Amino acid sequence: GAVVSQHPSRVICKSGTSVKIECRSLDFQATTMFWYRQFPKKSLMLMATSNEGSKATYEQGVEKDKFLINHASLTLSTLTVTSAHPEDSSFYICSATRGGRLYGYTFGSGTRLTVV
Amino acid sequence: DAKTTQPNSMESNEEEPVHLPCNHSTISGTDYIHWYRQLPSQGPEYVIHGLTSNVNNRMASLAIAEDRKSSTLILHRATLRDAAVYYCILRDFGAITQGGSEKLVFGKGTKLTVNP
Repeated sequence: GAVVSQHPSRVICKSGTSVKIECRSLDFQATTMFWYRQFPKKSLMLMATSNEGSKATYEQGVEKDKFLINHASLTLSTLTVTSAHPEDSSFYICSATRGGRLYGYTFGSGTRLTVV
Repeated sequence: DAKTTQPNSMESNEEEPVHLPCNHSTISGTDYIHWYRQLPSQGPEYVIHGLTSNVNNRMASLAIAEDRKSSTLILHRATLRDAAVYYCILRDFGAITQGGSEKLVFGKGTKLTVNP
């Protein structure tokens, strides 16, 4: 159990357009979802924490107007990169948890975004 | 900031045991020690976690020092599929988000290379 599906796995978009990435918990209800980005040969950097039905909490330095996060249901969170630029090209990864100390974190397989 | 220190890289031969060290000298009494690994171009996956006692599961063993200031992830027989970046993370119950789930902060991890 505890499967997280992330879609798409790869996307190429033109500079100035917006891209939406979906993260779904397939077999559990995720009270909290996290979004990370990862540059080549670097570690994961937490971008924001998303609780179902609430506004996302962004980490310092992450532009909330550029990276729109929606967590409208207990099984779905979306990250929209608005007005994408080449420097937004990165590997984006979501994570989901049921919440509390008893449950672990399950990660999606990641989305490779390339902005041209 | 990550509260753990790991070697940048390690090498092993196939079918030999691997011991991946992690230092966490500032660990608090309620911090669990978690290990995740990330295969190339994938999201991280859970490996093992523990609090005070040594732990075993089908993937690995976790040996925790008596003072809890360090731990070692043990892969008993490395395979080529174990080549990954291994992250040692303290699950910080002090950083609880609004929904009751604490953030998972990744350090740089140890890149494990397994030689055939």
